[in-house]
Amino acid sequence: GAVVSQHPSWVICKSGTSVKIECRSLDFQATTMFWYRQFPKQSLMLMATSNEGSKATYEQGVEKDKFLINHASLTLSTLTVTSAHPEDSSFYICSARDYREVNTEAFFGQGTRLTVV
Amino acid sequence: TQLLEQSPQFLSIQEGENLTVYCNSSSVFSSLQWYRQEPGEGPVLLVTVVTGGEVKKLKRLTFQFGDARKDSSLHITAAQTGDTGLYLCAGDSYKSNTGKLIFGQGTTLQVKP
Repeated sequence: GAVVSQHPSWVICKSGTSVKIECRSLDFQATTMFWYRQFPKQSLMLMATSNEGSKATYEQGVEKDKFLINHASLTLSTLTVTSAHPEDSSFYICSARDYREVNTEAFFGQGTRLTVV
Repeated sequence: TQLLEQSPQFLSIQEGENLTVYCNSSSVFSSLQWYRQEPGEGPVLLVTVVTGGEVKKLKRLTFQFGDARKDSSLHITAAQTGDTGLYLCAGDSYKSNTGKLIFGQGTTLQVKP
């Protein structure tokens, strides 16, 4: 399958600081990237959908000023958690899709474990 | 709101047993994907089913898409400890043009030796 690389795999930051997570599609062009948050032993919770070159669409209840998403190219999207607080600690996962054709598969990054202290 | 009901949510079995995981919806999906996820890692795609009634096999795993494309099942034969993980079904909606997948709640499978 296609490769999606997410970086970093884990990060520890101090409360009040910002953290940037990168998601790259290595061998295909991702017209659409998705950012998820996952709590232990639970399914994925979609935070936002981003299309290359346009503003991200956020799910209800997700603060767009807190979770800044940029999708500047067909191979890179970033999620910046601004002014992080302990309650933002979670596992964040991105996925990428080339949605120019229907029924294309979505591939996931390895995830980023964020711990805010 | 479209939903995918996945069951069971937790399953603990002995090695060698068989099991089936179900995903059901009242909505029609253009395709459905099954993923397996291990702790601390991202989901890994196992299979995509597209055609109603389609059956796909991946070694000991058998995936089926319902005739009406509203439901799917994953059957594992003779489970092994290496099958332990979180299994997720995700559907592509006809109504959406965003590429957004609708996920089931997940099934946490524990296979004991």
